[in-house]
Amino acid sequence: GNSVTQMEGPVTLSEEAFLTINCTYTATGYPSLFWYVQYPGEGLQLLLKATKADDKGSNKGFEATYRKETTSFHLEKGSVQVSDSAVYFCALGAGGTSYGKLTFGQGTILTVHP
Amino acid sequence: DAGVIQSPRHEVTEMGQEVTLRCKPISGHDYLFWYRQTMMRGLELLIYFNNNVPIDDSGMPEDRFSAKMPNASFSTLKIQPSEPRDSAVYFCASSFRFYSSRDRGAETQYFGPGTRLLVL
Repeated sequence: GNSVTQMEGPVTLSEEAFLTINCTYTATGYPSLFWYVQYPGEGLQLLLKATKADDKGSNKGFEATYRKETTSFHLEKGSVQVSDSAVYFCALGAGGTSYGKLTFGQGTILTVHP
Repeated sequence: DAGVIQSPRHEVTEMGQEVTLRCKPISGHDYLFWYRQTMMRGLELLIYFNNNVPIDDSGMPEDRFSAKMPNASFSTLKIQPSEPRDSAVYFCASSFRFYSSRDRGAETQYFGPGTRLLVL
């Protein structure tokens, strides 16, 4: 079946540090890939997405590239801010008979200190 | 658009009581999802609907849980009777399918703010 594996957290960084959160997936066919972010006390919101191999999603300084050869979709940001402290979820949408349904990773807690 | 609306935002109840959570999806969306989030189990998909029809309810934990979608603008998740282990944050999400030549995968899900349920 489909699955998503995320880097274990929590991740603690100082402001302006470089961020990488690893995400790998298992799926048949050509899934769509997503990163969602959850700020404290809120629901999840889409951060970025990519729908085919070699696509790069980007938003708010965050980037992730859909790598089919390594089945990965790692999240990166060059310089994090305190306001980026949140939980980050990698997800895939496999389509077909499961169209609409997302499979989420376990989430990675990011804390950024001033 | 106001986004996905959930009510109540917080619910405290006693074990054995019936709990009803409500969701209004974004107008025009044809998929609706119910999730549960806990520290121990993370984010779990409970059930999802397409055009008001339940598609996959394999995540519903047991018969005490039921979900309905009587029309395109309203859904409920009911727990009867509630138990302390049901304490969690329950999220509703909705999405819209864009039919196109690259129709695969899934479109963006929009989440509500959640209902924080505490069963004593």
